[in-house]
Amino acid sequence: DTGVSQNPRHKITKRGQNVTFRCDPISEHNRLYWYRQTLGQGPEFLTYFQNEAQLEKSRLLSDRFSAERPKGSFSTLEIQRTEQGDSAMYLCASSLVGVETQYFGPGTRLLVL
Amino acid sequence: RKEVEQDPGPFNVPEGATVAFNCTYSNSASQSFFWYRQDCRKEPKLLMSVYSSGNEDGRFTAQLNRASQYISLLIRDSKLSDSATYLCVVRLSGTYKYIFGTGTRLKVLA
Repeated sequence: DTGVSQNPRHKITKRGQNVTFRCDPISEHNRLYWYRQTLGQGPEFLTYFQNEAQLEKSRLLSDRFSAERPKGSFSTLEIQRTEQGDSAMYLCASSLVGVETQYFGPGTRLLVL
Repeated sequence: RKEVEQDPGPFNVPEGATVAFNCTYSNSASQSFFWYRQDCRKEPKLLMSVYSSGNEDGRFTAQLNRASQYISLLIRDSKLSDSATYLCVVRLSGTYKYIFGTGTRLKVLA
């Protein structure tokens, strides 16, 4: 079991560009979560999937943010037309249905210049 | 009012001390409760779930008070390695959306 992996680990982009992050959950984990964390704050829920179905999403995940989990395995989070306020750590976590322990990946740190 | 509130600290305590953190939640429909630990520049990791009857894991004790809508974490005999941010997490009934508090920073001093 290799744990949750995220790529890239760091991303620097210019304002207005699109970025895409990838999360590979622990194999056989059917739930997958995306969070955003800024300095001095706890992780903020963005969205979660059960298998390939996106079951809930935050109001933050609107127009510029989109997430997919097409085959119920890895997931991608895309941010379009990035803004400086999008600079944050983007965390992915996975869990098994029926078990509430979430296992987090190392995160992707985004800096928008 | 934030859904989950914690004192951000930092709590600076000497080795061997006992320290307690509280966390309050605003929604009475909250169903599941957890403490996660996050080391500097690392991802959060589950420390312990919090059960209605309270539960203990070694030096760590968690308690839930549904009437007052708060959970607590007690750490006995603090170690230098306990230095971290402790995140309070709540899940509402009928959803698998987890709400994290801002975290409480603990520094255990030699």
